[in-house]
Amino acid sequence: VLTQSPGTLSLSPGERATLSCRASQSVSNNYVAWYQQKYGQAPRLLIYGASSRATGIPDRFSGSGSGTDFSLTISRLQPEDFAVYYCQQYGRSGITFGQGTRLEIK
Amino acid sequence: EIQVVESGGGLVQPGRSLRLSCEVSGLRFGDYAPTWVRQAPGKGLEWVGFIRSELKGGTTEYAASVRGRFTISRDDSKATVYLQMNRLEIEDTGVYYCSVEEWWGQGTLVTVSS
Repeated sequence: VLTQSPGTLSLSPGERATLSCRASQSVSNNYVAWYQQKYGQAPRLLIYGASSRATGIPDRFSGSGSGTDFSLTISRLQPEDFAVYYCQQYGRSGITFGQGTRLEIK
Repeated sequence: EIQVVESGGGLVQPGRSLRLSCEVSGLRFGDYAPTWVRQAPGKGLEWVGFIRSELKGGTTEYAASVRGRFTISRDDSKATVYLQMNRLEIEDTGVYYCSVEEWWGQGTLVTVSS
């Protein structure tokens, strides 16, 4: 089970956002990814392997963590960053998503 | 350009079947393990299952909620993955996405209702 916190995060453009994802068991090989989803759109991969940015993802997005605790940081929020974010654990036998964190404009 | 295109969604009665397709272009499809993910209206993402490449046995894994009802298959000659959904339940309603690594389709809507 992946538990994301907070459920909703209210911040202003230019601020720093830190989203948390906690696993109920240690995630092997740090196989954690982060996705961004905007309304009516498919999810977009941001981070894989806990800390590697996907193709074309701005460097204001960074991932960190290991074991059971992972985080996504957006260093300086842009208007287009306000969306729902999901963490994902992936492995040989399956995939699990967190319940999501809604990042909204304050 | 890599494209992932799902099709086959629609309205279906509980207990009936539906087959979704996902055609992928722009990459060596046979090398990848395509995944199905769904999203109920207003809810989060839920993994459905995936199928490994033929090189890795072409075996499948499923979420507990669909195991025994859903079957994933692939046709590498058509660069297409299928999701056969049997004994559909109202709770299976949602947008079904196909993904290959970082590339996702736009999804196809499945509505299970009488």
